[in-house]
Amino acid sequence: GESVGLHLPTLSVQEGDNSIINCAYSNSASDYFIWYKQESGKGPQFIIDIRSNMDKRQGQRVTVLLNKTVKHLSLQIAATQPGDSAVYFCAENGANFGNEKLTFGTGTRLTIIP
Amino acid sequence: NAGVTQTPKFRILKIGQSMTLQCTQDMNHNYMYWYRQDPGMGLKLIYYSVGAGITDKGEVPNGYNVSRSTTEDFPLRLELAAPSQTSVYFCASSYFETGTGEDGANVLTFGAGSRLTVL
Repeated sequence: GESVGLHLPTLSVQEGDNSIINCAYSNSASDYFIWYKQESGKGPQFIIDIRSNMDKRQGQRVTVLLNKTVKHLSLQIAATQPGDSAVYFCAENGANFGNEKLTFGTGTRLTIIP
Repeated sequence: NAGVTQTPKFRILKIGQSMTLQCTQDMNHNYMYWYRQDPGMGLKLIYYSVGAGITDKGEVPNGYNVSRSTTEDFPLRLELAAPSQTSVYFCASSYFETGTGEDGANVLTFGAGSRLTVL
């Protein structure tokens, strides 16, 4: 079946630096991608999303980049803060409007070093 | 507005026991979902519902049952607990309206999770 994977399971970044979390997806039909943040002991929280008709989308301190040619997604976090320490998941919708086919990656653990 | 509320937060079961994980949301979301998360893994969809009275299987439905008698509630039932069902369970909801096509449809609001151990 189709799957979403991450290049690195862990990432440590100095506080104040920028971080980049990468994600590869394999379902070329997927047209919607989402990043979730999961803090320890909590449920995932929505960060930012992007549709396949866009290459880039910016939020507050976060930017998602989508490269459909190589089926690659990245999440950039600017000026990282201790509260950014969490596990980050990417997900793709498998070209399905609902969430029935939403596929999550295994996650990247981001640690911010004070 | 409490969002998505799950109970219990923790539970230990013996093999063969049954239990129900409760989930309720107060956002009038039509879609609700149950996921399980195993250590170091992503979320796997167990069951989902697109509205009251309608449920369907996800990727890993075996050993579970659900019902959706109201918009707010979506309980997950384990009939004969097995060690393989040791996991953290997350309930989620979203609002999706056909025809609008777009933003917000796929944004899930998750509960805090229920950690289940089967011994």
